[in-house]
Amino acid sequence: NAGVMQNPRHLVRRRGQEARLRCSPMKGHSHVYWYRQLPEEGLKFMVYLQKENIIDESGMPKERFSAEFPKEGPSILRIQQVVRGDSAAYFCASSTRRVTGELFFGEGSRLTVL
Amino acid sequence: GQQLNQSPQSMFIQEGEDVSMNCTSSSIFNTWLWYKQDPGEGPVLLIALYKAGELTSNGRLTAQFGITRKDSFLNISASIPSDVGIYFCAGQLLDNYGQNFVFGPGTRLSVLP
Repeated sequence: NAGVMQNPRHLVRRRGQEARLRCSPMKGHSHVYWYRQLPEEGLKFMVYLQKENIIDESGMPKERFSAEFPKEGPSILRIQQVVRGDSAAYFCASSTRRVTGELFFGEGSRLTVL
Repeated sequence: GQQLNQSPQSMFIQEGEDVSMNCTSSSIFNTWLWYKQDPGEGPVLLIALYKAGELTSNGRLTAQFGITRKDSFLNISASIPSDVGIYFCAGQLLDNYGQNFVFGPGTRLSVLP
């Protein structure tokens, strides 16, 4: 029973390029959350999705960032025209249901913007 | 927005000592989760609590869901070097149609040999 799978584990981009981070939730999980973590800091909520729907994107910057969780395939967090301040670890987590669910995390994708 | 306070922020202990950390909020939660994060890794779920007053153990770890539903604590007994890491608490909110997991800022644990 595979856990939450994220790829790539490490991604290097130059300023202005696009970054695409992928997350495959645990089998049977239809709720996906994306978090961002800066070094020595906690987890900052970005976006919560269910299959084909964005439920809450209150933590995601309005510009350059987007997320999707299509009917088939992984959830994708997309960052356009990356800037140095986007350098961080991005974690995906999944759960089976919204109420009294447990949240399981992937290993994260570490984005470095040169 | 909702906030969780974790204390202490960091702690240095001797190997073999017991550790206690807690998480408090002004909001009521229906689930409490405790995670450990090692450097360069994702958070790993240690214990999940679902009922007020619930006391749950996982090896040397013990966690409790506060009676008021606004706090939780985690104890680690007889610490060992591999206990080093960041411990996060997370509460799951009632009646929230948006993202409903709120994370604390973490407690950084260092274990001295």
